[in-house]
Amino acid sequence: DAKTTQPTSMDCAEGRAANLPCNHSTISGNEYVYWYRQIHSQGPQYIIHGLKNNETNEMASLIITEDRKSSTLILPHATLRDTAVYYCIVRVASGSARQLTFGSGTQLTVLP
Amino acid sequence: KAGVTQTPRYLIKTRGQQVTLSCSPISGHRSVSWYQQTPGQGLQFLFEYFSETQRNKGNFPGRFSGRQFSNSRSEMNVSTLELGDSALYLCASSASGGPVTEAFFGQGTRLTVV
Repeated sequence: DAKTTQPTSMDCAEGRAANLPCNHSTISGNEYVYWYRQIHSQGPQYIIHGLKNNETNEMASLIITEDRKSSTLILPHATLRDTAVYYCIVRVASGSARQLTFGSGTQLTVLP
Repeated sequence: KAGVTQTPRYLIKTRGQQVTLSCSPISGHRSVSWYQQTPGQGLQFLFEYFSETQRNKGNFPGRFSGRQFSNSRSEMNVSTLELGDSALYLCASSASGGPVTEAFFGQGTRLTVV
């Protein structure tokens, strides 16, 4: 699975959009981009995934560049409850949670 | 729909003992994966079970083992506990109904070895 690079930490004001970048320059054509987040002392929570088109769901939007070497997770109106570690994971499609490679992630802190 | 349930939530054991952790996946999910999370190593994959068979295994010693029952519930066992086994143990279930699916994680079992 391709390796990802994320900033260690980011701050965002409550009510503003949080834009979390992820670099995956070695991504292969059959690899998807997944985002999970982990609120302190809880299990990771799935947010969104995509292959090459931009995706949106009730939680967030995922913007993938045309060359697929980077992506951005957007939380449109961040709340204090969005404070968490966000993980960007790149891997081939799989119908299971096996061998997800969680890096260090980005600690997002939403400030009041 | 009930989420992934892990029991117990907290556990304290002594070095050398063994421990069994339990995971009940979301109803209908057949794949259960286990992860270990420590401050130093982050989240690391232990193994995955699907239809009572271990399908994948991470890079952990043989002291870590698991099994899955016919109702998809899974247990993991750690024998001869070491201080370094202190961690949050998470399980995740997936529907495995298609090529791409999200994983649902439980709240975890926090194991402390003293």
